[in-house]
Amino acid sequence: ILNVEQSPQSLHVQEGDSTNFTCSFPSSNFYALHWYRWETAKSPEALFVMTLNGDEKKKGRISATLNTKEGYSYLYIKGSQPEDSATYLCAPSRGGATNKLIFGTGTLLAVQP
Amino acid sequence: GAGVSQSPSNKVTEKGKDVELRCDPISGHTALYWYRQSLGQGLEFLIYFQGNSAPDKSGLPSDRFSAERTGGSVSTLTIQRTQQEDSAVYLCASSLRGSNTGELFFGEGSRLTVL
Repeated sequence: ILNVEQSPQSLHVQEGDSTNFTCSFPSSNFYALHWYRWETAKSPEALFVMTLNGDEKKKGRISATLNTKEGYSYLYIKGSQPEDSATYLCAPSRGGATNKLIFGTGTLLAVQP
Repeated sequence: GAGVSQSPSNKVTEKGKDVELRCDPISGHTALYWYRQSLGQGLEFLIYFQGNSAPDKSGLPSDRFSAERTGGSVSTLTIQRTQQEDSAVYLCASSLRGSNTGELFFGEGSRLTVL
């Protein structure tokens, strides 16, 4: 069983603030790290799938970095907007037969206008 | 439509009844997952199908739960003798290449309420 930890559990910021959250995972036998965004009453949507140590990916105001040797990934949101309010989930994948995706409990972001 | 389709969207049943939830993945996607979200909880892994490999059933919470995937496409999750703690949103997701690098596409879920 993969032990995935996300912090903080929840975050309240003002519109325009920049913020970041952390996903920690076992570094052994790492294969890929997924980030998803889950808005209330909708389905989770993929943000990034990252595989390379040191990789950085960006989509608009959202970016993510990956450190596979120490087992963590950061998700950054620059200039938060109310529409960014959602739960942000990460899920690491290991190689081989045990390659199912196990999600962390997520970081709930609330952006106040 | 081109997305993952789940049915029914809402199901209310009485304790002890059996229910079937259906997932129609995106055409050509080899990987299919079932997750559930109970009230106030995160996404809980249930079962994973990848191509013709034996499914990973390690997340099924009890032997009342079973799932099958016919012809590598449509999947059915069956819950026998439902209990109130089975109440949750059941989400299905599919992926083109499997979870290692293929992003998951989620359906809109089936909300199960057990009275």
